[in-house]
Amino acid sequence: SQTIHQWPATLVQPVGSPLSLECTVEGTSNPNLYWYRQAAGRGLQLLFYSVGIGQISSEVPQNLSASRPQDRQFILSSKKLLLSDSGFYLCAWSVLIGGSTDTQYFGPGTRLTVL
Amino acid sequence: AQKITQTQPGMFVQEKEAVTLDCTYDTSDQSYGLFWYKQPSSGEMIFLIYQGSYDEQNATEGRYSLNFQKARKSANLVISASQLGDSAMYFCAMREMNTGFQKLVFGTGTRLLVSP
Repeated sequence: SQTIHQWPATLVQPVGSPLSLECTVEGTSNPNLYWYRQAAGRGLQLLFYSVGIGQISSEVPQNLSASRPQDRQFILSSKKLLLSDSGFYLCAWSVLIGGSTDTQYFGPGTRLTVL
Repeated sequence: AQKITQTQPGMFVQEKEAVTLDCTYDTSDQSYGLFWYKQPSSGEMIFLIYQGSYDEQNATEGRYSLNFQKARKSANLVISASQLGDSAMYFCAMREMNTGFQKLVFGTGTRLLVSP
């Protein structure tokens, strides 16, 4: 069965510090991968998605970036965090099989607080 | 642009009763998909149920069913026989087609509280 891991689970960082959040998927090949952010009491906002190694698309301009160095690894980074980067970051994966539905399955999330 | 609206910020239900969570959507696409996710206090988003725009029957998954009314553009989630563990945030989402990439657009969610 497929599993998705995210770490760290929680993170407190000062403004201006760098960020690296990691997401890995097990039990599937060539998944689509996604990074979402959820502000307190809000819905999910898609930040990045990737359909393959090295292929990253950005949905929202910001000081965040994403990379996919391996098939099942997705990394969210920032060189200098802003207060507005605080939130709950969720990674998700999906696999489209034979034209059927492309359900996204989410990881446990990382709660980031920027002080 | 596609949009999902969840008008109930909070809902209360007693254990063992049924509850309906509302979701309306707006799209000009002929082909689309609708999803419901549950988010407990731990934060993880748990997939519950899916309905395709061409599906003729309402989707069901155990105690969850989706009341799909295409003409009204609504996709309400019905939870039967509520349990205490159903207390959580519930999000409706729509799959948006974007040059072959299937993007999910989420509503703002409904917080469900199940009381004993």
